[in-house]
Amino acid sequence: NAGVMQNPRHLVRRRGQEARLRCSPMKGHSHVYWYRQLPEEGLKFMVYLQKENIIDESGMPKERFSAEFPKEGPSILRIQQVVRGDSAAYFCASSSGPGDATDTQYFGPGTRLTVL
Amino acid sequence: EDKVVQSPLSLVVHEGDTVTLNCSYEVTNFRSLLWYKQEKKAPTFLFMLTSSGIEKKSGRLSSILDKKELSSILNITATQTGDSAIYLCAPANAGGTSYGKLTFGQGTILTVHP
Repeated sequence: NAGVMQNPRHLVRRRGQEARLRCSPMKGHSHVYWYRQLPEEGLKFMVYLQKENIIDESGMPKERFSAEFPKEGPSILRIQQVVRGDSAAYFCASSSGPGDATDTQYFGPGTRLTVL
Repeated sequence: EDKVVQSPLSLVVHEGDTVTLNCSYEVTNFRSLLWYKQEKKAPTFLFMLTSSGIEKKSGRLSSILDKKELSSILNITATQTGDSAIYLCAPANAGGTSYGKLTFGQGTILTVHP
């Protein structure tokens, strides 16, 4: 059973370019969470999605950042017009949904974004 | 705002020592508390705790939750160099659209010397 997959693992962008980060949840999981880990800081929640729905985007910057989880295909975190401050590790986690035994989130390996 | 404080921030021990890592939290709608181990990659799930006073155990690691004190501890006995990592605790939210959202502490950096 494959775990959470993220690609690319490393992404280098110049200021002003767009970054697209992909996340495929574990098989059977329909809940996806995105977290960001800035250098020397802890993991911070960004957005929570279910298939075709954004449930909670309270942790996502209002501008330049967007996320989606289409009916088919991976979840995408999109950062437009990247700036140096966007350099971080972006982790995706998935769970099978609400319920005591099922809301454990399993993390992918992360995408390390470097903005030059 | 939800808050999580872990202590100590860093810890250096020798193989064979026992360590206790602490986590205190303030969460408006507490559901459960999760512990993760992070090496140079993704956080790896260790434990999920939902009930006070019930110890969860996995090999040399164990953890317990105290909902009255809003805290949890993670114990590692007979430490090994492979235990060197950042240990993260994260309470999960139970409220509405924030359901399941994890708030992470800053982590405890554990270094185990041979």
